[in-house]
Amino acid sequence: SAVISQKPSRDICQRGTSLTIQCQVDSQVTMMFWYRQQPGQSLTLIATANQGSEATYESGFVIDKFPISRPNLTFSTLTVSNMSPEDSSIYLCSVAVTSGGTLNTGELFFGEGSRLTVL
Amino acid sequence: AQSVAQPEDQVNVAEGNPLTVKCTYSVSGNPYLFWYVQYPNRGLQFLLKYITGDNLVKGSYGFEAEFNKSQTSFHLKKPSALVSDSALYFCAVRGFISSGSARQLTFGSGTQLTVLP
Repeated sequence: SAVISQKPSRDICQRGTSLTIQCQVDSQVTMMFWYRQQPGQSLTLIATANQGSEATYESGFVIDKFPISRPNLTFSTLTVSNMSPEDSSIYLCSVAVTSGGTLNTGELFFGEGSRLTVL
Repeated sequence: AQSVAQPEDQVNVAEGNPLTVKCTYSVSGNPYLFWYVQYPNRGLQFLLKYITGDNLVKGSYGFEAEFNKSQTSFHLKKPSALVSDSALYFCAVRGFISSGSARQLTFGSGTQLTVLP
């Protein structure tokens, strides 16, 4: 398993500002992901955070809006840039653990999320 | 493309009664299937998964799920519900593209389970 800490747990932000969310894992992990959970909706994958290289973004998400850093195997940041009320969501950091199998068969572990409200 | 359907937004059950949370999927090839639970103001917690083998898988907190390939379903069950089981439940699937590489997890829309005392 993995213990994941996210900061901040919640924040209220003004339109047009940017906020950086931090994700710290208690062990080295290969795969880290950032998800968005909009109010009353399911999880949508934003990007895969790659250590030492640019993140891999899913369709509909771009680096200018959601820049991601992954300086080492235990830490990542997600920035939500130039925020608007539509960015009000829970942002979740997640890691894949092989649990004795492979990355494909392993489950994901999630941080407790960062709840952003944009006014 | 792969997809997951959770047809019920809300499931209510009395404490002590059996519960079922439904999930159906669409994916190319053999699926890897997962259930997660989310308590209020918390992240998701892994409950159980089906990779291969026995169609009935057992997980945390007394939950189990049955993989049914012909019906493309993976319903979550528990013989006797507890009030503390009240939470949001997500089904997820991982399929594979033609090259054999795995796709990312796709989550269902979630089902809010309420267990009434």
